[in-house]
Amino acid sequence: DTEVTQTPKHLVMGMTNKKSLKCEQHMGHRAMYWYKQKAKKPPELMFVYSYEKLSINESVPSRFSPECPNSSLLNLHLHALQPEDSALYLCASSQDMRENSPLHFGNGTRLTVT
Amino acid sequence: AQSVTQPDIHITVSEGASLELRCNYSYGATPYLFWYVQSPGQGLQLLLKYFSGDTLVQGIKGFEAEFKRSQSSFNLRKPSVHWSDAAEYFCAVGLNTGGFKTIFGAGTRLFVKA
Repeated sequence: DTEVTQTPKHLVMGMTNKKSLKCEQHMGHRAMYWYKQKAKKPPELMFVYSYEKLSINESVPSRFSPECPNSSLLNLHLHALQPEDSALYLCASSQDMRENSPLHFGNGTRLTVT
Repeated sequence: AQSVTQPDIHITVSEGASLELRCNYSYGATPYLFWYVQSPGQGLQLLLKYFSGDTLVQGIKGFEAEFKRSQSSFNLRKPSVHWSDAAEYFCAVGLNTGGFKTIFGAGTRLFVKA
């Protein structure tokens, strides 16, 4: 069983919709991440929160808006997405942002934009 | 530039046979190295990690990896593959590039035949 929980597992949305992806961890980790993964590709980093502050934004379009309400929760708000944004969105956490902190991943949200 | 290379896009082995997945990295300093596994429709799971010390590291599910500085390699091995090992395997390096990041290789898909 994964210790990082993501909801929903699947999401289909139109290009004018607004939706949110949710992620929760209770391991006491202080760094949380959003990754995007296209089919047959490695995960691509989108955002990193460290101690509830946005630390890294990998030049992600503003139609993706992250939020970290507290140390256990991470949201990704979606608005006016494009079909090419369809992908598996993975949340991860780590003890902190040091380069030797292994990532713990959730099972992802499969997003389809129609 | 720092990078992680997995030369094999896919590998097929017979059940019970040994396995070696290749990984090469390009990084000036001693890297923090990881192997992750991803089963279909799931998130990534950490198999093992190398930071320093003994260059042969043991992981979960019977996997091991050997760090060879002279070859800039961190190959993953398993003496006897099981059908349940069929998955995507990602080599990754943790590094500081003005922000702490995990860089993933392109992945190697493992097929196991009966």
